[in-house]
Amino acid sequence: EPEVTQTPSHQVTQMGQEVILRCVPISNHLYFYWYRQILGQKVEFLVSFYNNEISEKSEIFDDQFSVERPDGSNFTLKIRSTKLEDSAMYFCASSEVGYGEQFFGPGTRLTVL
Amino acid sequence: AQSVTQLDSHVSVSEGTPVLLRCNYSSSYSPSLFWYVQHPNKGLQLLLKYTSAATLVKGINGFEAEFKKSETSFHLTKPSAHMSDAAEYFCVVAKSYGGATNKLIFGTGTLLAVQP
Repeated sequence: EPEVTQTPSHQVTQMGQEVILRCVPISNHLYFYWYRQILGQKVEFLVSFYNNEISEKSEIFDDQFSVERPDGSNFTLKIRSTKLEDSAMYFCASSEVGYGEQFFGPGTRLTVL
Repeated sequence: AQSVTQLDSHVSVSEGTPVLLRCNYSSSYSPSLFWYVQHPNKGLQLLLKYTSAATLVKGINGFEAEFKKSETSFHLTKPSAHMSDAAEYFCVVAKSYGGATNKLIFGTGTLLAVQP
């Protein structure tokens, strides 16, 4: 069964460093999403992406964040200068249609020291 | 604004007994509602979804949920718990901006423990 994959499973970085979280969505999906979950808090929407541009973004998704689909298979989330409060589990999701079921990856746990 | 409230952070049941995980929603229009499950070290998996068709929705692994507009509820049930049901369950509402995509709004989650 096709699934969304994410790498790495765990990333540790120093405050101020740049990180790139990688996702491989399901191959025939056209809509891509990032969510995050800070420990003990709700899963929160960050951004959705379609047709090589951002469709929606939350107030969390400020200028420190960017997304890219660099090739036909990867979808990345970049945090330019990490802060302590960026420590969270980051989930990638994809869907075949915009209002369809979103399929989630296993997440990347980001720890900022 | 749309939101969901999961009324229990932890639920513990014995194997073979019924499961009830409670969720109330708030929405200014007819919502799309979902239940997702997360097993340890796994991604979020869709259990079932309600999108204004039948109010009783059947999902995978014997789970079902009933949409009750009068009570603004979307509780998840299963007649008989299995050990493999132990996981975290999220009630989710979709918010549409009228654009190409949906934003999912998650509840705080209910951790289900199943005792032998």
